[in-house]
Amino acid sequence: GAGVSQSPRYKVAKRGQDVALRCDPISGHVSLFWYQQALGQGPEFLTYFQNEAQLDKSGLPSDRFFAERPEGSVSTLKIQRTQQEDSAVYLCASSSQTSRSSYEQYFGPGTRLTVT
Amino acid sequence: EDKVVQSPLSLVVHEGDTVTLNCSYEVTNFRSLLWYKQEKKAPTFLFMLTSSGIEKKSGRLSSILDKKELFSILNITATQTGDSAIYLCAVAGSWGKLQFGAGTQVVVTP
Repeated sequence: GAGVSQSPRYKVAKRGQDVALRCDPISGHVSLFWYQQALGQGPEFLTYFQNEAQLDKSGLPSDRFFAERPEGSVSTLKIQRTQQEDSAVYLCASSSQTSRSSYEQYFGPGTRLTVT
Repeated sequence: EDKVVQSPLSLVVHEGDTVTLNCSYEVTNFRSLLWYKQEKKAPTFLFMLTSSGIEKKSGRLSSILDKKELFSILNITATQTGDSAIYLCAVAGSWGKLQFGAGTQVVVTP
């Protein structure tokens, strides 16, 4: 089947605008993660869902960031009142719940957000 | 504070050379260590290591974990230009969430 998909692939927003980034995980994958990758850095954890439950949101940098996964499949990361420091690539990853492979996360292509 | 440190940050080699990438970590609730290859898109999964001293191999790539000294190495033998990428090391902790190092950029010249 298809891998993880994300849309849009590129987004340019003016400072102060709200944006919504979408992630379609691999079908049947229970776990879904969002990461933020700044230029020249490794990805940084933002938040984690198990099915529709958001079990960890400790990495969200401010209350302007909000994520949801209402039906346990597609997830949306929303950023309100974007700031220039929000410019980054936002990566979504999913993984299955099998005991051996539950930590093998498969990444989508990312959304490159540029805030001007 | 948890951390994952990769070295070197970058290197340039000629085709056919062997490279060794290092990853050291200090992470509570360690579950496993993963290596990813990142070109200009999504990180692609290479290896997951959970046990010390057991080498994992895939073609010209291999990796091993030392849980006593808290490090892992990734080897690439007989490098090719297609190996040029950023190699990311990540440690899985609670929930399986990954903490990444900054990556090592490898450039293989013809």
